[in-house]
Amino acid sequence: AQSVTQLGSHVSVSEGALVLLRCNYSSSVPPYLFWYVQYPNQGLQLLLKYTSAATLVKGINGFEAEFKKSETSFHLTKPSAHMSDAAEYFCAVSTGFQKLVFGTGTRLLVSP
Amino acid sequence: KAGVTQTPRYLIKTRGQQVTLSCSPISGHRSVSWYQQTPGQGLQFLFEYFSETQRNKGNFPGRFSGRQFSNSRSEMNVSTLELGDSALYLCASSLDAANQETQYFGPGTRLLVL
Repeated sequence: AQSVTQLGSHVSVSEGALVLLRCNYSSSVPPYLFWYVQYPNQGLQLLLKYTSAATLVKGINGFEAEFKKSETSFHLTKPSAHMSDAAEYFCAVSTGFQKLVFGTGTRLLVSP
Repeated sequence: KAGVTQTPRYLIKTRGQQVTLSCSPISGHRSVSWYQQTPGQGLQFLFEYFSETQRNKGNFPGRFSGRQFSNSRSEMNVSTLELGDSALYLCASSLDAANQETQYFGPGTRLLVL
């Protein structure tokens, strides 16, 4: 079964520091991977998705993720954190018929 | 283009009651999926509808049901509510059912069962 694992339920960074949120996937077939962000009391917003067209995927708000098959990883990065990036981030894999399997989420805390 | 809309946004019910939640997808989208989000279980897939047919179902009891109308709007129903059904229920829509299609989420309906 396809699944994703997010390491670290909380990640704290200072404003301006590098953001790295980790996601590892398990899939027997080429996966379709997604990163979503959730702000308090809101739904999920797509940051970026991997569909095998390119291993480095650029998303919104300066985020990007690199698909590494050898490491079964799809980590999310942003060079410089902003206070507005504080939110919960979810990695997900599509398993067919629009069923997304989500990781447990990582809450990003940004301090001034 | 208007996003996914869900109504109501907040709901309070008591145990044993039933509830119906509504989701209007983005115009032109034919696939609608439902998810339950709780602090303990995280985000879990409930079911997916495409052209009025349920194509996929998650591991939830039969008290959870849904349907999709010809205009792609969808409803989900939970009967005989239990305290554990308190959650944020998210609806997502996409153009079709291909794996790589992006799902766009609504703001959710927050259900509190007392």
